[in-house]
Amino acid sequence: DTEVTQTPKHLVMGMTNKKSLKCEQHMGHRAMYWYKQKAKKPPELMFVYSYEKLSINESVPSRFSPECPNSSLLNLHLHALQPEDSALYLCASSPSWRDTGELFFGEGSRLTVL
Amino acid sequence: QKEVEQNSGPLSVPEGAIASLNCTYSDRGSQSFFWYRQYSGKSPELIMFIYSNGDKEDGRFTAQLNKASQYVSLLIRDSQPSDSATYLCAVLLRSARQLTFGSGTQLTVLP
Repeated sequence: DTEVTQTPKHLVMGMTNKKSLKCEQHMGHRAMYWYKQKAKKPPELMFVYSYEKLSINESVPSRFSPECPNSSLLNLHLHALQPEDSALYLCASSPSWRDTGELFFGEGSRLTVL
Repeated sequence: QKEVEQNSGPLSVPEGAIASLNCTYSDRGSQSFFWYRQYSGKSPELIMFIYSNGDKEDGRFTAQLNKASQYVSLLIRDSQPSDSATYLCAVLLRSARQLTFGSGTQLTVLP
């Protein structure tokens, strides 16, 4: 079983909807990540949180809004998305945020924007 | 030139053969190298990492690193159909401080 849990596993939303993706980890990791992955492409980094503070925002459009309520939880709020935002959204955690490539991924949330 | 390059494949090998997956990177000062496996419809899973030149073995998997030539490879011995997946090479580029993924190589092991 994965130790990074993401909900929902599947989400369909219209362009005017507001929805949220949730991620939880109980490994005591201090860094959490959001990645976006399109079919047959590698994961693309969106955001990194370290010690509950946003450390990296890879120039992601404001229609994606991350939130880290505590060290175990990470949310991604979605608003006014476009069909091209349809993708697999992956949450990951790691013991530290800098100079590490050892990421633990959740199973992902597959998003379809109509 | 892409920062991390892999042959996209697909690569097909018969069951029991050695599968060889290759990756090159552009940043000569990079220090840390990772292989992730991703089954279709699933999330990536870390299977190997290597920091020093040479070979690192873990069961049927061997990671090889040659910093002078700027390549890293993954060998899978006695390949099984369950090894069929996309293998992502990832490098912690000195310039980026975060992982940079290659485009992945799709491996199919034929029974």
